[in-house]
Amino acid sequence: EDQVTQSPEALRLQEGESSSLNCSYTVSGLRGLFWYRQDPGKGPEFLFTLYSAGEEKEKERLKATLTKKESFLHITAPKPEDSATYLCAVQEDSNYQLIWGAGTKLIIKP
Amino acid sequence: ETGVTQSPTHLIKTRGQQVTLRCSSQSGHNTVSWYQQALGQGPQFIFQYYREEENGRGNFPPRFSGLQFPNYSSELNVNALELDDSALYLCASSLDFSDTQYFGPGTRLTVL
Repeated sequence: EDQVTQSPEALRLQEGESSSLNCSYTVSGLRGLFWYRQDPGKGPEFLFTLYSAGEEKEKERLKATLTKKESFLHITAPKPEDSATYLCAVQEDSNYQLIWGAGTKLIIKP
Repeated sequence: ETGVTQSPTHLIKTRGQQVTLRCSSQSGHNTVSWYQQALGQGPQFIFQYYREEENGRGNFPPRFSGLQFPNYSSELNVNALELDDSALYLCASSLDFSDTQYFGPGTRLTVL
């Protein structure tokens, strides 16, 4: 069965303390892997799309990487405004539907 | 460029009632996808509309139905509301059914 697992469920960091979030997936055929950021009570905000193993994308303090089984979202020197839930979703190449993980709640303390 | 908009923002209904949620897609986008998100969970796919036709459906009962209009805006209708239907309902639009999805702010539905 296709599934997406994110870890950890929650992560508390001090401002400036770098870390990584993990998204592991099982899908028959991967078309793309998406990272979104979601603030409480709001809709997810698109961050990155990764299509093939070895691909990397960067945006400000965030860098996303992809292997054949998992993706990492690296956060370098985070600030309190980076606090949010980060969601990962995979898109199958057969029906293009998104399969979502439960998210990692990131809290950055000043 | 106007992003995805949803209405209403919040809604309170009682069990057994019916509700209609609305979504306006981003300019130039012909695909709308609807999701249900319970607290602390990832979005669950309800269905997708591409050029006014249903283009995929998740594991939701028939009392969840939808429409897409010629201007690509969309409605989600839920009949016979149950307490478990309380959730954040998200609409996302994309250029095409396979393309990156951009989300609206969501509608918070509470069923009492």
